[in-house]
Amino acid sequence: DGGITQSPKYLFRKEGQNVTLSCEQNLNHDAMYWYRQDPGQGLRLIYYSQIVNDFQKGDIAEGYSVSREKKESFPLTVTSAQKNPTAFYLCASSISAGDLYEQYFGPGTRLTVT
Amino acid sequence: AQKVTQAQTEISVVEKEDVTLDCVYETRDTTYYLFWYKQPPSGELVFLIRRNSFDEQNEISGRYSWNFQKSTSSFNFTITASQVVDSAVYFCALSGMTTDSWGKLQFGAGTQVVVTP
Repeated sequence: DGGITQSPKYLFRKEGQNVTLSCEQNLNHDAMYWYRQDPGQGLRLIYYSQIVNDFQKGDIAEGYSVSREKKESFPLTVTSAQKNPTAFYLCASSISAGDLYEQYFGPGTRLTVT
Repeated sequence: AQKVTQAQTEISVVEKEDVTLDCVYETRDTTYYLFWYKQPPSGELVFLIRRNSFDEQNEISGRYSWNFQKSTSSFNFTITASQVVDSAVYFCALSGMTTDSWGKLQFGAGTQVVVTP
């Protein structure tokens, strides 16, 4: 079955540690995205990538980093510079960002930093 | 800047009632896309519908229908004969076609729909 996988579903870290969230897709989509969701709020774009080895900052990129070395993978690192890292993180992909196809989402990772 | 407003925080209905979700958007783009997504308790967002700004024709798809009115910048969504499985958070989203907004979804805050038996 084609889809997007995110692991782990729940992640706990101590303050000051970097943590990397995994996102893998087997849909052969060119574009991938990372969003952050806080309670009672909509999703906010962190980073997005339209093709391999290329990515752009979204609205709230500070304290985050990404890489896109393979078409299938778009890992997100939450660094210690992110002041409020506890949130629900959603990865998405679409056929092509250029044609504004709908985005398909993974199940999300709930990160708790204490 | 783009903005999506969903003024309804939560709507509670009894099964079989209709539910209409309001969405108002702001954009400077003359061409854009509008979306509705559903987020069940599991957390994963599910794509429901997409509409481009060229086409104001309203449609029905099963129990879902939408009312797109460019003149009032609204993109309302209706669930007919609601079911308990419709309980979820529903998000309206906007994507423009300028260099700054290309491929980037701007989400509203979401509306929690609670359907009771």
